[in-house]
Amino acid sequence: DAGVIQSPRHEVTEMGQEVTLRCKPISGHDYLFWYRQTMMRGLELLIYFNNNVPIDDSGMPEDRFSAKMPNASFSTLKIQPSEPRDSAVYFCASSVRGQGAGEQYFGPGTRLTVT
Amino acid sequence: GEDVEQSLFLSVREGDSSVINCTYTDSSSTYLYWYKQEPGAGLQLLTYIFSNMDMKQDQRLTVLLNKKDKHLSLRIADTQTGDSAIYFCAESRTGGFKTIFGAGTRLFVKA
Repeated sequence: DAGVIQSPRHEVTEMGQEVTLRCKPISGHDYLFWYRQTMMRGLELLIYFNNNVPIDDSGMPEDRFSAKMPNASFSTLKIQPSEPRDSAVYFCASSVRGQGAGEQYFGPGTRLTVT
Repeated sequence: GEDVEQSLFLSVREGDSSVINCTYTDSSSTYLYWYKQEPGAGLQLLTYIFSNMDMKQDQRLTVLLNKKDKHLSLRIADTQTGDSAIYFCAESRTGGFKTIFGAGTRLFVKA
């Protein structure tokens, strides 16, 4: 199994630009999570989906952030417009019920730098 | 509310044992986890313990749970330089899929 795949691995953009991060979960996993990691705030859960439906988006920082999961094998996290304070590493993780509630498999992350 | 706390840094010598501690506040926690994050990588699940267990051992790793004090620890025997990483404690409960992560403990292993 290829594991969770994220693209791009690195993204550098200018303030005000739209940024789209992509994730392919492990096949057969029905939960997908988006996290943000910074030195100041640690690991924050932004949103998670179950069977492609958003369940909890209370961690999405503001309306500039949106996430979609059009099918079981693909999800996007979009930031529009981006700001320097959005600079962070964004992780996607997937899981399946029955393995234990929190056994999440993380992707390698996308390092976003907004200048 | 739910909270998981860990010390931020731990430094040990190669060959010694490392003990990373964690406290949590949610008495409804059912599963408690230890994840490892190496530089430039995502988190990787190391081990987990169900709340009705006191201890779990897996090769060099020993997890101890004191449910009364809501204290979890991870002991790494014979610590190697390859164990240098950030270790995250996490908790979740049955029926809820949200996992709460601590801030992570950065383990430095000196040769």
